[in-house]
Amino acid sequence: DAGITQSPRYKITETGRQVTLMCHQTWSHSYMFWYRQDLGHGLRLIYYSAAADITDKGEVPDGYVVSRSKTENFPLTLESATRSQTSVYFCASSRRTHANYGYTFGSGTRLTVV
Amino acid sequence: TQLLEQSPQFLSIQEGENLTVYCNSSSVFSSLQWYRQEPGEGPVLLVTVVTGGEVKKLKRLTFQFGDARKDSSLHITAAQPGDTGLYLCAGGKGTSYGKLTFGQGTILTVHP
Repeated sequence: DAGITQSPRYKITETGRQVTLMCHQTWSHSYMFWYRQDLGHGLRLIYYSAAADITDKGEVPDGYVVSRSKTENFPLTLESATRSQTSVYFCASSRRTHANYGYTFGSGTRLTVV
Repeated sequence: TQLLEQSPQFLSIQEGENLTVYCNSSSVFSSLQWYRQEPGEGPVLLVTVVTGGEVKKLKRLTFQFGDARKDSSLHITAAQPGDTGLYLCAGGKGTSYGKLTFGQGTILTVHP
């Protein structure tokens, strides 16, 4: 089915390990985003991408790395996981530049760092 | 800095009641969007409002964008248990690569 797919849905990892969260969309949307959702903080932007090979930092980028070699994939890597990175991570895409167009979100990855 | 403040944070009501959720900011936004999120899923877009004073209706849901484009409200008439969920407002600013700023959300529980 067409859409935006995140994997894995659940992940438990140890402090200090590298973890990669995957995001794949089938619409060829130019814009893709990574948010984390935490109680009391809502959704906070980690990184975004305007096109393949174009990425930029959001509000909370420290400790995260992204890449976008292909339009459809936008993986998020935690270089050395910390307990403060325990969160639910959402990938989203948008077909237009203008912020008036809404996002389509994936189902999220619940990450626990122990 | 939290640019969008939602209120209330929690709302627990009986089926058939009406409710309003507010989304306020000191900043001007070019658009205001409302999303609904169910447990274990990502947010789903309900509506986008772009013109100051604009009112949009989606069945029993009425969305309004403030005249100054700094605030918005979501009104639900005759709430049903199926309306239960987390409601998020999000503001966009022009062509800033489509980035949205989200409010903290309102958790709505509608009891049968």
